[in-house]
Amino acid sequence: EVQLVESGGGLVKPGGSLRLSCAASGFTFSSYTMNWVRQAPGKGLEWVSSISSSSRYIYYADSLKGRFTISRDNAKSSLYLQVNSLRAEDTAVYYCARVLAYTSDYWGQGTLVTVSS
Amino acid sequence: QSALTQPRSVSGSPGQSVTISCTGTSSDVGGYNYVSWFQQHPGKAPKLMIYDVTKRPSGVPDRFSGSKSGNTASLTISGLQDEDEADYYCCSYAGSFIFVFGGGTKVTVL
Repeated sequence: EVQLVESGGGLVKPGGSLRLSCAASGFTFSSYTMNWVRQAPGKGLEWVSSISSSSRYIYYADSLKGRFTISRDNAKSSLYLQVNSLRAEDTAVYYCARVLAYTSDYWGQGTLVTVSS
Repeated sequence: QSALTQPRSVSGSPGQSVTISCTGTSSDVGGYNYVSWFQQHPGKAPKLMIYDVTKRPSGVPDRFSGSKSGNTASLTISGLQDEDEADYYCCSYAGSFIFVFGGGTKVTVL
């Protein structure tokens, strides 16, 4: 059974940083591109970043470039998102998702990041 | 990377059909046959319902169907059931492993 479990969220002050993690199991993690997608409270889904299976190709939403860094450790079947210089508008549930062809077929339950003083 | 346009809400009675539209541009919806639809119940993770415009993952009822014409994709739910009440999001591939979502549509079963 495919499982994705996010962790690392929490309450952080504006300007602070967090490292989000996503532990994958039930499939060959090293064979799949992975996504981060976020959802602000009461709002829609927003694609954040993608990383190819070997980490060769990395893409970010234009509005987030420079503050967010995606990475992965295939030996640990884990995906990461380093989020820096956090702002109130970054408050959201952050989901990791497996990419199959050109869609996200499995999603984790998400980890909540709250940016507030 | 502008969001795709969806209606804020649609509604229908049990057994009826509803259709949700998703309008983009030639750089996303119109440029690729890679539109997906996700269902999200409150407090839950999104669930893939349709991918590649028309394909259903295993386990998704055939009441859900997708289509596309030009820069607009559509999701139709036939034979509406109570459990279909949820938020629905379209998503299109936009090249270079960039994805763009719609703003979401709330489906209400009357």
